[in-house]
Amino acid sequence: EDQVTQSPEALRLQEGESSSLNCSYTVSGLRGLFWYRQDPGKGPEFLFTLYSAGEEKEKERLKATLTKKESFLHITAPKPEDSATYLCAVPPYTNDMRFGAGTRLTVKP
Amino acid sequence: NAGVTQTPKFRVLKTGQSMTLLCAQDMNHEYMYWYRQDPGMGLRLIHYSVGEGTTAKGEVPDGYNVSRLKKQNFLLGLESAAPSQTSVYFCASSLRGNTEAFFGQGTRLTVV
Repeated sequence: EDQVTQSPEALRLQEGESSSLNCSYTVSGLRGLFWYRQDPGKGPEFLFTLYSAGEEKEKERLKATLTKKESFLHITAPKPEDSATYLCAVPPYTNDMRFGAGTRLTVKP
Repeated sequence: NAGVTQTPKFRVLKTGQSMTLLCAQDMNHEYMYWYRQDPGMGLRLIHYSVGEGTTAKGEVPDGYNVSRLKKQNFLLGLESAAPSQTSVYFCASSLRGNTEAFFGQGTRLTVV
């Protein structure tokens, strides 16, 4: 069965304390792995798409990496404004998208 | 530029009542989607559309119907609401399948 699992469920960091979020997936054929950010009371906002193992993408303090079975979202020197829920998603087949339950990140000043 | 707009933002229904959620996008996207988001379960695809006049079932379609009469609009209907349909509903659109999706602000629906 196609599954997307994110860990940890919640993560609390001090401002400046770097860490990583994990997204592991089991789909028969990877058609991309997507990362979104979701603020409370809002819809998800697109961050990155990764298509092949070894690929990396960066945006400000975020860097996403991909292996054959998992992806990591590395957060370097986070700030309070990075607090949000981070979602990953994979399409098990065309036009579908399976989302993980998300990691709720809190960055304390 | 409004992007994806959902109406209403909040709604309370009694069991058995019907309602329609409206999604409108102004980006000329071909693909549109309806998801529900429940605590601890992530977003799940209800129905989607790959173009005007087309609809298809997603992962959890039972109890819902959709229509896409105009390219910019995607309607989600609940014919007879049940408490299990209490959720936050998100509409999204994308230029093509399996690409970056743009989401609306969500509709919080409570069925009592």
